[in-house]
Order: sequence, then structure tokens, then C-alpha cells
Amino acid sequence: GENVEQHPSTLSVQEGDSAVIKCTYSDSASNYFPWYKQELGKGPQLIIDIRSNVGEKKDQRIAVTLNKTAKHFSLHITETQPEDSAVYFCAASIEDGATNKLIFGTGTLLAVQP
Amino acid sequence: DAGVTQSPTHLIKTRGQQVTLRCSPKSGHDTVSWYQQALGQGPQFIFQYYEEEERQRGNFPDRFSGHQFPNYSSELNVNALLLGDSALYLCASSLGELRGYTFGSGTRLTVV
Repeated sequence: GENVEQHPSTLSVQEGDSAVIKCTYSDSASNYFPWYKQELGKGPQLIIDIRSNVGEKKDQRIAVTLNKTAKHFSLHITETQPEDSAVYFCAASIEDGATNKLIFGTGTLLAVQP
Repeated sequence: DAGVTQSPTHLIKTRGQQVTLRCSPKSGHDTVSWYQQALGQGPQFIFQYYEEEERQRGNFPDRFSGHQFPNYSSELNVNALLLGDSALYLCASSLGELRGYTFGSGTRLTVV
């Protein structure tokens, strides 16, 4: 069945360093890949997304890359700040005009040390 | 503009009981999806409602049921609660088939 694997499960970086989180999806029909940030006691918040017709997307300090052949996609955060500390989830979905069910990875706990 | 509102925020129930969770979507959104998030895991899709009908369902037993009202708000019902149903239940709203999900803060359900 559909599956999304996410690595690493925990990541600790120094403030100002870069952080990279990687995901692999199983369903080759997946064509939409969002990333969510979840802070303690809150619901997931969309931070960036990418569709399969694009290989890379950037929004200020955040970027996402997609390799459709390898079924890999990654989140890159540059110049990390303490407020970036949270759990990050990748997800995959199939845009088929019928529904938009998201399959989530297991999450990465990012800790940015001041 | 209020986002997605869920109630209650926390709930404790006993095994075998029934529970109803509520969700009001973000203004302008007409589609509501429910997810279950176990501790330390990613959210898992339960089902989605659009035009008051269940449009798609994840791999959850029939004990999980839902409803969407004409004002687009939604309820999630779980019957015959099991200890394993303890989780954070998230409601997400969107406009039709667009992918711009907005999640609520969730209802933390504890089954004892």
C-alpha cells in the first residue's frame, strides 16, 4: 500500500546551520508533496509544497527538492533559528480530481541549539 | 478570520464508551478531513466529507463514523472505544479538491 518513509527521526543542529530532512514515497502515482511543521500542542501547519511537474521550489530559507525517478523528496532549511525547532512531517498525495488524502511520514524532531 | 476550530481540546473516556468530536472548518472551506495522530507518529487519514457525504475512507473500522452538516461543520464519532484509540484527532478543512489543507489544533482523546 501507500507508504512514506522519513529520515532522520531526530535532528539537532546549531543555530545558523542548515537542516535537511529526506522522504521516500512508494506510490509512483503521487504527484503532490507538502511539508508540515507541528509545534507542541498545535496542529500541523503547511510550510511549503511541491508538485511533480517541478523539481525544486524555494521560499526564503526553506526549499524542497523532488526526484520523481527515485521517488525521493527533501526539505532544506538554511540559516536555522531556534524558532525552527518543531516536528516536521512530509506527506504525499495523488491529485486525481476525486480526493486529496495525504499519506504522512513519521516525522522529524528538529532541535536548533542557540 | 478564525481557522479550523475543534472541540473539545481534551477528553478522557472509558473503554467501551462512545465519543463525538466536533470541527468547524475555516471560513470559505467546504471539505473536512479527519486524521488520527498517535503519539510520535504522523497523522493517518480516517475519512473526508464533501457536500455532506463521505468521499473517501482510510483503513479504519466501522466504529469510526462521521457526519457533515449543511454549514460544512463536521463530527467524528467513535463507538466501542479501545485503549488503542487514544490519540490526537485532527480535523483539516480545504476548499473542494484543493490541497491547501488547514489543520485544527486537535482533540486529545485518552481512553482508560
